Amino acid sequence: AQSVTQLDSQVPVFEEAPVELRCNYSSSVSVYLFWYVQYPNQGLQLLLKYLSGSTLVKGINGFEAEFNKSQTSFHLRKPSVHISDTAEYFCAVGRKTSGSRLTFGEGTQLTVNP
Amino acid sequence: GAVVSQHPSWVICKSGTSVKIECRSLDFQATTMFWYRQFPKQSLMLMATSNEGSKATYEQGVEKDKFLINHASLTLSTLTVTSAHPEDSSFYICSARDSTSGDYNEQFFGPGTRLTVL
Repeated sequence: AQSVTQLDSQVPVFEEAPVELRCNYSSSVSVYLFWYVQYPNQGLQLLLKYLSGSTLVKGINGFEAEFNKSQTSFHLRKPSVHISDTAEYFCAVGRKTSGSRLTFGEGTQLTVNP
Repeated sequence: GAVVSQHPSWVICKSGTSVKIECRSLDFQATTMFWYRQFPKQSLMLMATSNEGSKATYEQGVEKDKFLINHASLTLSTLTVTSAHPEDSSFYICSARDSTSGDYNEQFFGPGTRLTVL
Protein backbone atom coordinates (compact mmCIF):
# COMPACT_ATOMS: atom_id res chain seq x y z
CA ALA A 1 0.00 0.00 0.00
CA GLN A 2 1.06 3.57 -0.49
CA SER A 3 0.42 6.74 1.46
CA VAL A 4 0.85 10.45 0.88
CA THR A 5 1.57 13.16 3.41
CA GLN A 6 1.20 16.81 2.61
CA LEU A 7 3.13 18.52 5.33
CA ASP A 8 1.26 21.83 5.33
CA SER A 9 -2.50 22.13 5.49
CA GLN A 10 -2.42 25.86 4.80
CA VAL A 11 0.18 28.03 3.11
CA PRO A 12 -0.41 31.80 3.03
CA VAL A 13 1.91 33.84 0.83
CA PHE A 14 2.02 37.27 -0.70
CA GLU A 15 1.59 37.85 -4.39
CA GLU A 16 4.79 37.47 -6.45
CA ALA A 17 6.51 35.55 -3.65
CA PRO A 18 7.89 32.04 -4.26
CA VAL A 19 6.05 29.08 -2.81
CA GLU A 20 6.77 25.44 -2.06
CA LEU A 21 4.09 22.90 -1.20
CA ARG A 22 5.55 19.81 0.35
CA CYS A 23 4.60 16.22 -0.36
CA ASN A 24 6.12 13.01 0.94
CA TYR A 25 5.02 9.54 -0.02
CA SER A 26 5.64 5.98 1.00
CA SER A 27 5.34 2.93 -1.17
CA SER A 28 6.87 -0.50 -1.44
CA VAL A 29 6.72 -0.41 -5.24
CA SER A 30 7.51 2.06 -7.99
CA VAL A 31 4.95 4.78 -8.34
CA TYR A 32 3.76 7.60 -10.50
CA LEU A 33 3.33 10.98 -8.82
CA PHE A 34 0.85 13.74 -9.52
CA TRP A 35 -0.11 17.21 -8.37
CA TYR A 36 -3.67 18.39 -8.85
CA VAL A 37 -5.30 21.75 -8.22
CA GLN A 38 -8.90 22.23 -7.14
CA TYR A 39 -10.72 25.54 -7.29
CA PRO A 40 -13.83 26.00 -5.13
CA ASN A 41 -16.72 23.78 -6.13
CA GLN A 42 -14.83 22.30 -9.04
CA GLY A 43 -13.17 19.02 -9.90
CA LEU A 44 -9.45 18.40 -9.99
CA GLN A 45 -7.14 19.68 -12.70
CA LEU A 46 -3.80 18.05 -13.33
CA LEU A 47 -0.86 20.41 -12.77
CA LEU A 48 1.95 18.00 -13.52
CA LYS A 49 3.01 14.39 -13.29
CA TYR A 50 6.14 12.35 -12.82
CA LEU A 51 6.24 9.08 -14.70
CA SER A 52 9.94 8.48 -15.29
CA GLY A 53 13.05 10.19 -16.60
CA SER A 54 14.03 13.68 -15.50
CA THR A 55 13.30 14.29 -11.85
CA LEU A 56 12.39 17.92 -12.48
CA VAL A 57 8.93 18.11 -13.93
CA LYS A 58 7.38 21.25 -15.35
CA GLY A 59 3.64 21.70 -15.39
CA ILE A 60 0.99 24.23 -16.24
CA ASN A 61 0.65 27.73 -14.82
CA GLY A 62 4.38 28.00 -14.09
CA PHE A 63 4.49 25.20 -11.53
CA GLU A 64 7.22 22.62 -11.30
CA ALA A 65 8.01 19.72 -9.00
CA GLU A 66 11.07 17.67 -8.23
CA PHE A 67 11.01 13.96 -7.58
CA ASN A 68 13.49 12.94 -4.92
CA LYS A 69 13.60 9.18 -4.61
CA SER A 70 15.98 9.06 -1.65
CA GLN A 71 13.78 11.40 0.35
CA THR A 72 10.54 10.03 -1.13
CA SER A 73 9.37 13.55 -1.81
CA PHE A 74 7.66 15.36 -4.64
CA HIS A 75 7.51 19.01 -3.63
CA LEU A 76 5.65 21.53 -5.78
CA ARG A 77 7.18 24.94 -6.44
CA LYS A 78 6.41 28.19 -8.18
CA PRO A 79 8.88 31.09 -8.28
CA SER A 80 6.24 33.83 -8.27
CA VAL A 81 2.61 33.27 -7.38
CA HIS A 82 -0.48 35.18 -8.46
CA ILE A 83 -3.77 35.84 -6.71
CA SER A 84 -5.35 33.38 -9.14
CA ASP A 85 -3.19 30.56 -7.75
CA THR A 86 -5.31 30.57 -4.60
CA ALA A 87 -6.76 27.06 -4.48
CA GLU A 88 -6.47 23.64 -2.86
CA TYR A 89 -3.57 21.51 -4.05
CA PHE A 90 -3.47 17.73 -3.82
CA CYS A 91 -0.50 15.43 -4.18
CA ALA A 92 -1.33 11.93 -5.36
CA VAL A 93 0.51 8.67 -5.93
CA GLY A 94 -0.42 5.72 -8.07
CA ARG A 95 1.21 2.36 -8.48
CA LYS A 96 2.75 1.49 -11.82
CA THR A 97 -0.02 -0.99 -12.47
CA SER A 98 -2.56 -0.56 -15.17
CA GLY A 99 -5.83 0.76 -13.86
CA SER A 100 -4.70 1.15 -10.28
CA ARG A 101 -6.24 3.79 -8.10
CA LEU A 102 -4.67 6.97 -6.84
CA THR A 103 -3.98 7.75 -3.22
CA PHE A 104 -4.38 11.41 -2.34
CA GLY A 105 -2.82 13.54 0.32
CA GLU A 106 -4.97 15.64 2.60
CA GLY A 107 -4.48 18.74 0.53
CA THR A 108 -2.80 22.11 1.01
CA GLN A 109 -4.76 25.32 0.84
CA LEU A 110 -2.63 27.94 -0.87
CA THR A 111 -3.83 31.48 -0.24
CA VAL A 112 -2.14 34.27 -2.14
CA ASN A 113 -2.63 37.67 -0.57
CA PRO A 114 -2.17 41.02 -2.30
CA GLY B 1 -9.07 16.35 -25.14
CA ALA B 2 -9.68 14.11 -22.12
CA VAL B 3 -12.82 15.84 -20.89
CA VAL B 4 -15.05 14.32 -18.25
CA SER B 5 -18.49 15.71 -17.54
CA GLN B 6 -20.85 15.17 -14.65
CA HIS B 7 -24.56 15.76 -14.48
CA PRO B 8 -26.12 17.33 -12.57
CA SER B 9 -23.63 19.82 -11.20
CA TRP B 10 -25.77 20.26 -8.12
CA VAL B 11 -28.89 18.65 -6.77
CA ILE B 12 -31.13 19.15 -3.77
CA CYS B 13 -33.42 16.33 -2.75
CA LYS B 14 -35.66 15.29 0.10
CA SER B 15 -34.60 12.67 2.61
CA GLY B 16 -35.60 9.19 1.48
CA THR B 17 -35.44 9.85 -2.22
CA SER B 18 -32.87 8.50 -4.68
CA VAL B 19 -30.52 10.57 -6.78
CA LYS B 20 -28.62 9.53 -9.89
CA ILE B 21 -25.36 11.19 -10.92
CA GLU B 22 -23.90 10.66 -14.38
CA CYS B 23 -20.25 10.68 -15.31
CA ARG B 24 -19.28 10.78 -18.99
CA SER B 25 -15.97 10.70 -20.79
CA LEU B 26 -16.59 12.97 -23.77
CA ASP B 27 -13.67 12.32 -26.07
CA PHE B 28 -12.10 9.07 -24.97
CA GLN B 29 -13.05 5.59 -23.91
CA ALA B 30 -12.84 4.80 -20.23
CA THR B 31 -12.75 1.17 -19.19
CA THR B 32 -12.31 2.31 -15.62
CA MET B 33 -14.05 5.11 -13.78
CA PHE B 34 -13.66 6.07 -10.16
CA TRP B 35 -16.15 7.64 -7.78
CA TYR B 36 -14.95 9.88 -4.97
CA ARG B 37 -16.63 11.68 -2.13
CA GLN B 38 -15.27 14.89 -0.70
CA PHE B 39 -16.37 16.58 2.50
CA PRO B 40 -15.67 20.28 3.02
CA LYS B 41 -12.01 21.08 3.54
CA GLN B 42 -11.07 17.43 3.17
CA SER B 43 -9.38 15.25 0.62
CA LEU B 44 -11.02 12.94 -1.86
CA MET B 45 -12.16 9.60 -0.49
CA LEU B 46 -12.39 6.82 -3.04
CA MET B 47 -15.77 5.15 -2.84
CA ALA B 48 -15.58 2.64 -5.64
CA THR B 49 -13.88 1.62 -8.84
CA SER B 50 -16.17 1.04 -11.77
CA ASN B 51 -15.15 -1.20 -14.65
CA GLU B 52 -17.13 -1.29 -17.86
CA GLY B 53 -19.28 -4.38 -18.11
CA SER B 54 -18.58 -5.71 -14.64
CA LYS B 55 -19.53 -5.07 -11.05
CA ALA B 56 -17.98 -2.17 -9.24
CA THR B 57 -15.39 -2.69 -6.55
CA TYR B 58 -16.29 -0.83 -3.39
CA GLU B 59 -13.89 0.46 -0.78
CA GLN B 60 -14.16 -0.76 2.76
CA GLY B 61 -16.96 0.92 4.64
CA VAL B 62 -18.90 2.00 1.54
CA GLU B 63 -22.35 0.45 1.34
CA LYS B 64 -22.79 -1.03 -2.12
CA ASP B 65 -26.57 -1.25 -1.72
CA LYS B 66 -26.76 2.43 -0.91
CA PHE B 67 -24.38 3.69 -3.57
CA LEU B 68 -25.31 1.83 -6.74
CA ILE B 69 -22.81 2.08 -9.56
CA ASN B 70 -23.45 1.14 -13.16
CA HIS B 71 -20.83 1.31 -15.90
CA ALA B 72 -22.79 0.18 -18.90
CA SER B 73 -20.64 1.69 -21.63
CA LEU B 74 -17.11 2.89 -22.22
CA THR B 75 -18.21 6.48 -21.84
CA LEU B 76 -20.80 6.45 -19.07
CA SER B 77 -20.88 5.49 -15.42
CA THR B 78 -23.70 6.34 -13.02
CA LEU B 79 -23.82 6.61 -9.26
CA THR B 80 -27.22 6.32 -7.62
CA VAL B 81 -27.54 7.36 -4.00
CA THR B 82 -30.53 5.38 -2.76
CA SER B 83 -32.74 6.52 0.09
CA ALA B 84 -30.59 9.56 0.61
CA HIS B 85 -30.24 11.10 4.06
CA PRO B 86 -28.72 14.39 5.20
CA GLU B 87 -25.44 12.68 6.07
CA ASP B 88 -25.08 11.76 2.39
CA SER B 89 -24.80 15.43 1.53
CA SER B 90 -21.38 15.88 -0.01
CA PHE B 91 -19.43 16.72 -3.14
CA TYR B 92 -19.21 13.69 -5.42
CA ILE B 93 -16.46 13.59 -8.03
CA CYS B 94 -15.88 11.03 -10.72
CA SER B 95 -12.75 10.37 -12.71
CA ALA B 96 -12.06 8.33 -15.79
CA ARG B 97 -9.00 6.52 -16.95
CA ASP B 98 -8.21 6.51 -20.64
CA SER B 99 -8.18 2.87 -21.66
CA THR B 100 -5.48 3.53 -24.27
CA SER B 101 -2.98 4.95 -21.79
CA GLY B 102 -1.24 1.65 -21.16
CA ASP B 103 0.38 1.38 -17.77
CA TYR B 104 0.18 5.10 -17.17
CA ASN B 105 -2.78 5.53 -14.90
CA GLU B 106 -3.64 9.22 -15.18
CA GLN B 107 -7.19 9.95 -14.24
CA PHE B 108 -9.24 12.78 -15.69
CA PHE B 109 -11.66 14.32 -13.27
CA GLY B 110 -15.18 15.55 -13.69
CA PRO B 111 -16.30 18.91 -12.29
CA GLY B 112 -18.14 17.31 -9.38
CA THR B 113 -21.74 17.14 -8.20
CA ARG B 114 -22.88 18.90 -5.07
CA LEU B 115 -25.60 16.84 -3.35
CA THR B 116 -27.68 18.38 -0.60
CA VAL B 117 -30.21 16.19 1.16
CA LEU B 118 -32.85 18.03 3.16
